[in-house]
Amino acid sequence: EIGLTQSPGTLSLSPGERATLSCRTSQSIGSSHLAWYQQRPGQAPRLLIFGTSSRATGIPDRFSGSGSGTDFTLTISRLEPADFAVYYCQQYGGSALYTFGQGTKLEI
Amino acid sequence: QVQLQESGPSLVKPSGTLSLTCAVSGASISNNYWWTWIRQPPGNGLEWLGEIHHSGISNYNPSLKSRVTISVDKSKNQFSLNLDSVTAADTAVYYCATTGTYSYSYGHWGQGTLVTVSS
Repeated sequence: EIGLTQSPGTLSLSPGERATLSCRTSQSIGSSHLAWYQQRPGQAPRLLIFGTSSRATGIPDRFSGSGSGTDFTLTISRLEPADFAVYYCQQYGGSALYTFGQGTKLEI
Repeated sequence: QVQLQESGPSLVKPSGTLSLTCAVSGASISNNYWWTWIRQPPGNGLEWLGEIHHSGISNYNPSLKSRVTISVDKSKNQFSLNLDSVTAADTAVYYCATTGTYSYSYGHWGQGTLVTVSS
């Protein structure tokens, strides 16, 4: 099984600031196999980024993804109040097919 | 727009079978999508349980493989999850999801349903 480690566990920032979230995989994966989700309290996860850097439909360009191999990054520029949530990375591949990171909580 | 809605019992007894259904609207279950179940224990992260294609091909998380079955009902445009021999550790919010047109990621999710395993 391919493991995913997200850092930091919690990120404390203010509206208007820039957030940088990290996701590291235990094995190198293809760039098409890495996605990012946002989950607000009491809601289902929402797809933000697929294929490492492509934004899902309706996702503002303040959200961007990058990376390759084992190191991937989600960047949120100019934080808005609605952006404070938990973010998960997800990879495809390995024996469990799909695995998720443990999440990064973005708090004010 | 693909919409998914989970339904099923909110309480299951230990050693029993957890059964959930996901109704699909806005798309045909026979589309070339993967139909998936994911769960989230209270306060914890996401765990992929398994997926099925309308052709009948299915894949499961090895950690649960012996207990989980996912099936498709084309006549009702829905798919289902059965999880056998449940324990308190299976208490979670269960989500159905689908890739839709997104490869290797889940662009469409149900709202989720909390299932508690307790006597």
